[in-house]
Amino acid sequence: DTGVSQDPRHKITKRGQNVTFRCDPISEHNRLYWYRQTLGQGPEFLTYFQNEAQLEKSRLLSDRFSAERPKGSFSTLEIQRTEQGDSAMYLCASSFLDVTEAFFGQGTRLTVV
Amino acid sequence: GQNIDQPTEMTATEGAIVQINCTYQTSGFNGLFWYQQHAGEAPTFLSYNVLDGLEEKGRFSSFLSRSKGYSYLLLKELQMKDSASYLCAVRYSGAGSYQLTFGKGTKLSVIP
Repeated sequence: DTGVSQDPRHKITKRGQNVTFRCDPISEHNRLYWYRQTLGQGPEFLTYFQNEAQLEKSRLLSDRFSAERPKGSFSTLEIQRTEQGDSAMYLCASSFLDVTEAFFGQGTRLTVV
Repeated sequence: GQNIDQPTEMTATEGAIVQINCTYQTSGFNGLFWYQQHAGEAPTFLSYNVLDGLEEKGRFSSFLSRSKGYSYLLLKELQMKDSASYLCAVRYSGAGSYQLTFGKGTKLSVIP
C-alpha cells in the first residue's frame, strides 16, 4: 500500500479560476477527510465522507467549495471562483474504522495569484 | 470555542529532553492526538490519549490529564531529525465527532 495519495502536489491558479484536487485513500479505508492548512496554522476540518456519503461539512466549506466521493473510493475537492484567501495546503486523510487511525496524504498546495 | 493552545516555538539541544505542552477545553473531550509535521510534508501520527496517564512509545511519550485539560509530548534523546512542527489535536464528542480540532502547532528546532 502506498498510503494516501493526492494530486496535484502543487497548483498555481489565477483568481477567479476553478480548481479540482484529487485524493486516493488507502485501499479499504471507508472514511475520508479533507482539511485545509494555512501557513503557521494547524489543519482545519473541511468535510468527512463515510463511503460515498458526505456526513459532515464545516462552516469553512462555503458554497464555492464542493467535495465528492462518487464510488466510495477516491474523492475530489473543487473550488470555484478561487480567491487569494483560498491559498493553502489542502490535506486529505483516510481511515478504516475510526479517526484515531487516520493517515494523511502529503497535500496539495494551492497558490491563488 | 474549542481553543487548543500550545507554544509557537521551542528550541532544544541535540541529545536533550523537551516537553511540549497543550491545553484544551474539556467540555465534550473524547481523545487527544499528537502529530509530527516536517515542513511541506503530511502530518504523521505520534500518539493518542483518551485516558489519564502516560503513554510511552520509544523516545516519545504523551501525557494526559482530562480534569485539567492538559497534555504534553515528551521527546527524549533529541535528534536533529526531530526538528519539525508538533501538532496537538482534540476530538470532541457529539456533532462533529469525526473531525479533529488542531492547535496551531509548536515548531521545534533542535540545535547541535
